[in-house]
Amino acid sequence: QSALTQPASVSGSPGQSITISCTGTSSDVGGYNYVSWYQQHPGKAPKLMIYDVSKRPSGVSNRFSGSKSGNTASLTISGLQAEDEADYYCSSYTSSSTWVFGGGTKLTVL
Amino acid sequence: EVQLVESGGGLIQPGGSLRLSCAASGFTVSSNYMSWVRQAPGKGLEWVSVIYSGGSTYYADSVKGRFTISRDNSKNTLYLQMNSLRAEDTAVYYCARAAAGTYYFDYWGQGTLVTVSS
Repeated sequence: QSALTQPASVSGSPGQSITISCTGTSSDVGGYNYVSWYQQHPGKAPKLMIYDVSKRPSGVSNRFSGSKSGNTASLTISGLQAEDEADYYCSSYTSSSTWVFGGGTKLTVL
Repeated sequence: EVQLVESGGGLIQPGGSLRLSCAASGFTVSSNYMSWVRQAPGKGLEWVSVIYSGGSTYYADSVKGRFTISRDNSKNTLYLQMNSLRAEDTAVYYCARAAAGTYYFDYWGQGTLVTVSS
């Protein structure tokens, strides 16, 4: 049950695009199209941003998109806005009928 | 409206026990996959346990044998019984729902803080 691997931090200027990677194994990310992404602002509960690799829940901006290739999933945020500054976590369902999260990525909007 | 409200957190000595509750409204706990997810101070999210709609339960290796997840269908409430608590169990504990047949957490509670310290 090792955590998925995410970069500790990423940054970008308003209007730019950034991508956060999430690397797992064939037992989680690579084995299922059940990768999800969560946004967490300080002191708040996580919020679902992307599910099933690339689907957006109702109400989430289309500036957020997801993809996957092999054992690595990615979250892309286009047209960065100040309100996007937060921590982002990926998660995957696993072959053990459990879930695993990534270590989290702190996004700074410059 | 779907709502999850955790309670039961607090300060507990190492080796002690605590039971967390998560009261749900707007949906039926027993018809969904209900998980506990924790977050140590300044750290990332860690999945802890799940109880599936069919009643099967699974745990992270870090809590296996010490924590027990359960639900009370009559109260529409999820529980986490935590025994033999350690300092490293100190965290905010969230309950989260994954609708049956889905594998993402669409609703989260506000969290309850558990502090294990002497």
